[in-house]
Amino acid sequence: GENVEQHPSTLSVQEGDSAVIKCTYSDSASNYFPWYKQELGKRPQLIIDIRSNVGEKKDQRIAVTLNKTAKHFSLHITETQPEDSAVYFCAAKGRRSQGNLIFGKGTKLSVKP
Amino acid sequence: DVKVTQSSRYLVKRTGEKVFLECVQDMDHENMFWYRQDPGLGLRLIYFSYDVKMKEKGDIPEGYSVSREKKERFSLILESASTNQTSMYLCASSFYRAQGYTFGSGTRLTVV
Repeated sequence: GENVEQHPSTLSVQEGDSAVIKCTYSDSASNYFPWYKQELGKRPQLIIDIRSNVGEKKDQRIAVTLNKTAKHFSLHITETQPEDSAVYFCAAKGRRSQGNLIFGKGTKLSVKP
Repeated sequence: DVKVTQSSRYLVKRTGEKVFLECVQDMDHENMFWYRQDPGLGLRLIYFSYDVKMKEKGDIPEGYSVSREKKERFSLILESASTNQTSMYLCASSFYRAQGYTFGSGTRLTVV
């Protein structure tokens, strides 16, 4: 079945360091890959996304890369700050035509000051 | 600024009760989704709807049903609540075939 695997499940970095979260997906037909950030007690919010016709996308300190051949995509956060501490979810578009997303299990990122 | 509203942030219900979780969106989205969020298991799709009165089972529909009588409202129903349904429930919506979700704030349900 459709599956998205996400690693690591927890990640602790020092402020100013970079953080990388990796995901792999099973369905080669997936063509859309969003990343969500969920702060404690809040709703998940879209922070960046990438489509299958693009290999990399950047937005300030955040970037996402996609390797279609290997079926994996990664989130890169540079110059981390304490406010980056949150749970991050990757997702891939599923096969249902109406646009459902298959989510990874999440990565809890802690940025230590 | 809130566009997807879930009626309750916290609910405590007894085993066997019928429970209604309500979700309303004001963005005229066609798609609406109900997910369950549990530690270590991520977000799992319960049901979704792509039009009024249309619904489709997700990955874990057992013990749940849904209702969508109006485009803006999507209700999740626990027919007979059980303790293993204690969880955080998240509603989301999106445009048809579009791909970004907008999530609600979630309802933390405890079944005792």
